[in-house]
Amino acid sequence: DAGVTQSPTHLIKTRGQQVTLRCSPKSGHDTVSWYQQALGQGPQFIFQYYEEEERQRGNFPDRFSGHQFPNYSSELNVNALLLGDSALYLCASSWTDRAETDTQYFGPGTRLTVL
Amino acid sequence: KQEVTQIPAALSVPEGENLVLNCSFTDSAIYNLQWFRQDPGKGLTSLLLIQSSQREQTSGRLNASLDKSSGRSTLYIAASQPGDSATYLCAVKDYKLSFGAGTTVTVRA
Repeated sequence: DAGVTQSPTHLIKTRGQQVTLRCSPKSGHDTVSWYQQALGQGPQFIFQYYEEEERQRGNFPDRFSGHQFPNYSSELNVNALLLGDSALYLCASSWTDRAETDTQYFGPGTRLTVL
Repeated sequence: KQEVTQIPAALSVPEGENLVLNCSFTDSAIYNLQWFRQDPGKGLTSLLLIQSSQREQTSGRLNASLDKSSGRSTLYIAASQPGDSATYLCAVKDYKLSFGAGTTVTVRA
């Protein structure tokens, strides 16, 4: 059973560009959450997708957007990149009916560097 | 807004010593509390999950306690090994996970 997978592993962009990160959830999971982890800090919640809709959103600007597909995989898009967007982007999946008891399973992350 | 704090930020101990990592949070309206391990540049590995109605969980050399009323959790790692060197993150869950900044542990051989 494959866990959560993310692509690409690493990405280098320049300021002002746009980027798309991808995530495939663990088999059987229907909810995908995205987190941003700056160096030396804990992950910060960006948003969560369920049934192809954004269900919850953290304190991130509209430059951050996402999408969930019918197979539950998800994309994170960031427009007009800033130097401060350089971070490890983590995807986590879970089963929405077990919100209280279940852990979220994390992927290995995508390291984004903005020059 | 949930605030999660982890103390200390870094810890260095000789092999065999027990580790005590602390986590505090400001809002007790949580589903659960989780401890994760993160190796440099890698994703998160779940270590222990404590439901809001529970007081502690154990897995091998790891034991975590939860005092929801005081907003505190402690992770104990017995008989530390060099392989335990990593950053340990505490997170509390409502609809999302709110993380502390982590405690970076170094176990010296």
